[in-house]
Amino acid sequence: NAGVTQTPKFQVLKTGQSMTLQCAQDMNHNSMYWYRQDPGMGLRLIYYSASEGTTDKGEVPNGYNVSRLNKREFSLRLESAAPSQTSVYFCASSELISGRANYGYTFGSGTRLTVV
Amino acid sequence: AQSVTQLGSHVSVSEGALVLLRCNYSSSVPPYLFWYVQYPNQGLQLLLKYTSAATLVKGINGFEAEFKKSETSFHLTKPSAHMSDAAEYFCVSGGSNYKLTFGKGTLLTVNP
Repeated sequence: NAGVTQTPKFQVLKTGQSMTLQCAQDMNHNSMYWYRQDPGMGLRLIYYSASEGTTDKGEVPNGYNVSRLNKREFSLRLESAAPSQTSVYFCASSELISGRANYGYTFGSGTRLTVV
Repeated sequence: AQSVTQLGSHVSVSEGALVLLRCNYSSSVPPYLFWYVQYPNQGLQLLLKYTSAATLVKGINGFEAEFKKSETSFHLTKPSAHMSDAAEYFCVSGGSNYKLTFGKGTLLTVNP
């Protein structure tokens, strides 16, 4: 089925380790996003890519980096993981109409990350 | 700046009762509004969307929402709750840019 695919689904890291979360979409969407979800805080935007070749910071970018590898793929990297980065991470993509995400987002199924 | 306020972080209803989840928005431009549902340990799934056509929007699983500009509201309703409706629901606003603004979510519990 068409959609957004995230890998891995689960990960446990030790403090200070690094890792990359992968995201790919096959809907030919222009924009891609990384969110983290924490209890009681809803979804917070980490980074986004409005189009291939561009990336911008969201609300909570500290401790993360991203790469828009091509139109399909958008990866999120934790260079030195910290316990505060324990969270569920969601990748999403959207189609833009006149610069607006008129049709909302399509979300991946999430990566559950624990940093010990 | 856009904002979305969901009234009530937790709503509990009995099976068969009316479901009403409240959402108010603020936006400097006509908003596009969405409701998403998240079942336990899953991603977010689009329930319905308002994009300035009909003000009463019907979605999946019997849910609907009405856009009321005068009240800046977009409340989600379902006439009769089912056990399978237990989930977290997010009201979301899309404005003049390509980003969406999420409410903090409302957890719906359905009691037998």
